[in-house]
Amino acid sequence: QQQVKQSPQSLIVQKGGISIINCAYENTAFDYFPWYQQFPGKGPALLIAIRPDVSEKKEGRFTISFNKSAKQFSLHIMDSQPGDSATYFCAASKEHSSNTGKLIFGQGTTLQVKP
Amino acid sequence: NAGVMQNPRHLVRRRGQEARLRCSPMKGHSHVYWYRQLPEEGLKFMVYLQKENIIDESGMPKERFSAEFPKEGPSILRIQQVVRGDSAAYFCASSSSPLAKNIQYFGAGTRLSVL
Repeated sequence: QQQVKQSPQSLIVQKGGISIINCAYENTAFDYFPWYQQFPGKGPALLIAIRPDVSEKKEGRFTISFNKSAKQFSLHIMDSQPGDSATYFCAASKEHSSNTGKLIFGQGTTLQVKP
Repeated sequence: NAGVMQNPRHLVRRRGQEARLRCSPMKGHSHVYWYRQLPEEGLKFMVYLQKENIIDESGMPKERFSAEFPKEGPSILRIQQVVRGDSAAYFCASSSSPLAKNIQYFGAGTRLSVL
């Protein structure tokens, strides 16, 4: 059972364009939604995260949009740069203290930003 | 402040041998998570440990895999009698407190190759 579905699998964007990656989740108990960035040969690095009490969160060129009713959230990378070329993973988790905090990851999106 | 340290970075084993993967969490972090990443796939949760306790091992295969996080020293993920299907990248993540379990910082991973 794939609890977090991510699309597209791969994405090519021109420098300066907007990269958009989408995720959908099934479990309404999830209440913490991070995005991770992974470069080849490296571990995932926390990029930005959102909780369902807000519909949007922005940090620099990175924005998460969250639609609780549709159980969907997306990552927008504005003014995409070649250095943004990496694999991006969405994830979901239950934040309540009684939960273990394990992250359920999407399948990943490989982003290539062309100069 | 050093991040999450994993070693070795690369490990080659022949079928039937044992693999030991080590993880030292970030300073001040007492929660350790292990995830497995198969080629072209997202990360899958394996096990969650606190010092001297396994809290959630729902993602661990029932046979050949074990994990520990002793009072002193790193967390160890042990795979006995490795098979080709165990070839993957194994990532360790740590978090700082029960209230911040979801905020996990990842190591660079150990890439296991089984010949």
